[in-house]
Order: sequence, then C-alpha cells, then structure tokens
Amino acid sequence: GDSVTQMEGPVTLSEEAFLTINCTYTATGYPSLFWYVQYPGEGLQLLLKATKADDKGSNKGFEATYRKETTSFHLEKGSVQVSDSAVYFCALSDTGGGADGLTFGKGTHLIIQP
Amino acid sequence: DGGITQSPKYLFRKEGQNVTLSCEQNLNHDAMYWYRQDPGQGLRLIYYSQIVNDFQKGDIAEGYSVSREKKESFPLTVTSAQKNPTAFYLCASSLDRGRQPQHFGDGTRLSIL
Repeated sequence: GDSVTQMEGPVTLSEEAFLTINCTYTATGYPSLFWYVQYPGEGLQLLLKATKADDKGSNKGFEATYRKETTSFHLEKGSVQVSDSAVYFCALSDTGGGADGLTFGKGTHLIIQP
Repeated sequence: DGGITQSPKYLFRKEGQNVTLSCEQNLNHDAMYWYRQDPGQGLRLIYYSQIVNDFQKGDIAEGYSVSREKKESFPLTVTSAQKNPTAFYLCASSLDRGRQPQHFGDGTRLSIL
C-alpha cells in the first residue's frame, strides 16, 4: 500500500536558519504530493503541492521538488522565522487505484527559537 | 468566505454514550472526509464520501458511523463501540476524489469523562 515517511521531530532551529524536512513515499500509481502545515489547535492548511515529476511547489518561502527517481519530496526554506513553528505533514494522493483520501506522514514538529 | 465548519470545538463523552460531530462546507465540494489525529500517529482516514447518499469506510472505521444526506453536511457519530475515542477529529473536503488537495476544518477535540 501507499505510505509516507517523514523525519522524526521535534526539529529545533534558530531564527534565520536553513530548513530541510525530509519526506519519502511509496505509491502504487503516479501520485500527487503535498505539504500541509498545522498550527496549534487548528486544522491543516495546504502549504504547497506538485503533481508530476520535477515539478517544484512553492509558497511563503517554502519549496519542495517532486523527485520520482528518489521518491522524495523534501521541504526547504532558506531562512525560517518564529512564526513558522508548527507541525508539517507530507502527504500523497494516489490515482493508481490505492486507498481514497490522502495518505499522510506522521508529521514533523518544527520549533523556531528567536 | 467559503470554508469548512466543524462543531463543537471541544466535546466530552461519557462511557457508553454516542456523540455526533458536525461538519458543514459551503465550497460546493463533492467529496468529504473524516480523519482522526493522535499524537505521533499522523492522520488516519475514518470515512469518506464522494457524493450524496454514498460513503465508504476508510482505514479505521470500526466504532464510527456517518451519513451524507446533503452535499454540504457530513456528520460523524462516535459510538460506544469505539473504545478509545479520545483524539482530535478533522473533517475535510475536496472538489472530487483523487488528485485534488483537501481543505480542512479546524477540528473537534473529543475527550472521555
């Protein structure tokens, strides 16, 4: 079945540091890939997405590139802010006849210190 | 503004009691979903519905029930058969199943008294 693996958290960084959160996936079809962000006590918000190989999704200074050869979709940001502190989820939507709905990773808690 | 509204934000359940969580959307989306979130577990799919009067079990449907009588509404009932209901429940919708990203409500936190 489909699965998403994210790096374990929490990840603690200082403000203005470079961020990478690793995400790898397995899927039966040709999935679309997503990053969602969850702030405390809230639902998930779509951060960025990519629908085919080599696509780069970007939003609010975050980027992720769909790498089919390494089945990865790592999230990066060049200079993080305290307001980026949240839980980040990598997810896929498989069109290859897999389970309906999104398949999520377990989430990575990001803590940015001033 | 279009969006998904979940209520209540906090809910308490007594032993042996059924409780219903509300989810309403005004996005005109066909597909709706219920997820359960536990610490360190990510999100797991409980039920989903692609159209009115149709719904399918997800990965962890036991102890839950749903209905889809209107396009805008997808309530979730946590029954007494669900032995470990304490969790954060998230409702989502998408234009259709498959490749569309899902829009999420702000969640309902259910606890046992």
